[in-house]
Amino acid sequence: AQSVTQLGSHVSVSEGALVLLRCNYSSSVPPYLFWYVQYPNQGLQLLLKYTSAATLVKGINGFEAEFKKSETSFHLTKPSAHMSDAAEYFCAVSVSGGYNKLIFGAGTRLAVHP
Amino acid sequence: EPEVTQTPSHQVTQMGQEVILRCVPISNHLYFYWYRQILGQKVEFLVSFYNNEISEKSEIFDDQFSVERPDGSNFTLKIRSTKLEDSAMYFCASSDGRPNTEAFFGQGTRLTVV
Repeated sequence: AQSVTQLGSHVSVSEGALVLLRCNYSSSVPPYLFWYVQYPNQGLQLLLKYTSAATLVKGINGFEAEFKKSETSFHLTKPSAHMSDAAEYFCAVSVSGGYNKLIFGAGTRLAVHP
Repeated sequence: EPEVTQTPSHQVTQMGQEVILRCVPISNHLYFYWYRQILGQKVEFLVSFYNNEISEKSEIFDDQFSVERPDGSNFTLKIRSTKLEDSAMYFCASSDGRPNTEAFFGQGTRLTVV
């Protein structure tokens, strides 16, 4: 069975600082991995996805994530945080990509302060 | 850009009443999903739907719940005899089923059972 663990339910960074949100997955087969962002009172928006091509994946808004099979990790990073990045971030795993259910992590709420 | 739309955005209902949450998936998508997010908790898979039938459901999706695609565009989630613990944000999603693609989520319906 697949599962996702997000370390740190709350992360706070200064504007301009590095953002690092951690995600570890468990899957018995090669996974598809996703990061979604949820802004206040809004739905889930895809930031980026890993689908077994390049291990370093670039997404929207300057975010990127690196798939590390040896560490079963898919951490999300952004070199310089912006106030508008404040949101909740969810890591998710699926086995078959577009036609299988997503298993979500518990989410990490990112706060960005001046 | 195509999007998944959900109505209503907010629904307040009395315990024991039936509610229907509505979704219009992206028009060329074939797979449809409902997810639930109880306040402060992770996003949980409820059900997936393909070719006019349920393809997978979680243990949460008991006899109280049903899904339907009544016409070529709508996808509904019915909750019979709502309970207080059904209060949550309900997200509809759709995908085209290709292995390297993601699910697109609607903005959600916030259901409050009083």
